[in-house]
Amino acid sequence: DADVTQTPRNRITKTGKRIMLECSQTKGHDRMYWYRQDPGLGLRLIYYSFDVKDINKGEISDGYSVSRQAQAKFSLSLESAIPNQTALYFCATSDSGLAGVSDTQYFGPGTRLTVL
Amino acid sequence: RKEVEQDPGPFNVPEGATVAFNCTYSNSASQSFFWYRQDCRKEPKLLMSVYSSGNEDGRFTAQLNRASQYISLLIRDSKLSDSATYLCVVPYSNSGYALNFGKGTSLLVTP
Repeated sequence: DADVTQTPRNRITKTGKRIMLECSQTKGHDRMYWYRQDPGLGLRLIYYSFDVKDINKGEISDGYSVSRQAQAKFSLSLESAIPNQTALYFCATSDSGLAGVSDTQYFGPGTRLTVL
Repeated sequence: RKEVEQDPGPFNVPEGATVAFNCTYSNSASQSFFWYRQDCRKEPKLLMSVYSSGNEDGRFTAQLNRASQYISLLIRDSKLSDSATYLCVVPYSNSGYALNFGKGTSLLVTP
């Protein structure tokens, strides 16, 4: 079984709909992240969480919200989807390594979201 | 966002060639650096970590120049299977441990 799973893998929705993307991990990592990837723009950080009680905005958080339900689960919501949120969304996790040193991130397989 | 910059390529090289990618970064406080590989429409996967001046793993060598704030990735004896996008990764300057991914350099190895 994969260490980081994302559901759904593909989703087509309409403008104005609420969408939730889910991420689960079995790696036992404290830190979890949500990114979106668009052609030509690379990966951009949406939100990140360093533990269950810690949620932080990333580079492009507007229009998104997150919930860290447990150490293993981190959900991303689009309250009212719009077409420019069409993208490939990745969840990632990392361990709490040495203080002051970023650790390797492990990615889920991605969710391809299309907003019509 | 210009914290991590890479030449997007594409780099088209024949099998067996040596190819090098460069990446510049702005976060002078970074202590960890990474190269990730991403195949089309797949998730990024770690290729190499760089915590000191460099790292070597088989045909792949990463070098770090802190004074000039750049990281390089050298691939020797290129294989067809090396065709992918290579992402340079550095911690964000204002987000603790969160990682900032470059836009990637595309490599195509041809027969």
